[in-house]
Amino acid sequence: DAGVIQSPRHEVTEMGQEVTLRCKPISGHDYLFWYRQTMMRGLELLIYFNNNVPIDDSGMPEDRFSAKMPNASFSTLKIQPSEPRDSAVYFCASSLGGGAKTGELFFGEGSRLTVL
Amino acid sequence: AQSVSQHNHHVILSEAASLELGCNYSYGGTVNLFWYVQYPGQHLQLLLKYFSGDPLVKGIKGFEAEFIKSKFSFNLRKPSVQWSDTAEYFCAVNARNYGQNFVFGPGTRLSVLP
Repeated sequence: DAGVIQSPRHEVTEMGQEVTLRCKPISGHDYLFWYRQTMMRGLELLIYFNNNVPIDDSGMPEDRFSAKMPNASFSTLKIQPSEPRDSAVYFCASSLGGGAKTGELFFGEGSRLTVL
Repeated sequence: AQSVSQHNHHVILSEAASLELGCNYSYGGTVNLFWYVQYPGQHLQLLLKYFSGDPLVKGIKGFEAEFIKSKFSFNLRKPSVQWSDTAEYFCAVNARNYGQNFVFGPGTRLSVLP
């Protein structure tokens, strides 16, 4: 079974440009998460979805960030306009939740974003 | 709100040394606990998890962790490390009343010298 698939793996862009990161979760998983990893702040949860519905977006840093999940097999994280401080590795993860046993997170390979 | 702290930022060991990485969390309710490992340039992978039952859990690659509820701790151990264990290790907590909100610690970087 394929794992969580993210694209692009690397993105270099200039300040002010729009950036779109994509994620395909593991088939059958009902939770999808977007994390950001930086040296300074570690691993931060940006937003997560349950059955395609955003549940908690309190970690989204600003209005420049938006995330969508139009169907169970696809999600996007968009930054518009991008800024140098957005440079980070963005991870998508999915899990099969429910009940008292929270499913473990399965992470994608990450998208390394560099904003010049 | 939940928070997770890890005792060490960077640990350097020689091969065959024993390892213990500390993790403490702040939440009074029922929790699920995890240790993830991130090898250089790779994504996070699950090492082990605790949901309930025996507080001593065994994971992959010879790692184990002990949940001590009274200390709000979930320390990771390995009796003898190898060079290939060089990686960053993250403790994570999910409080069951907080849905699927996983909170990760800041990570501990382990360097194993050959």
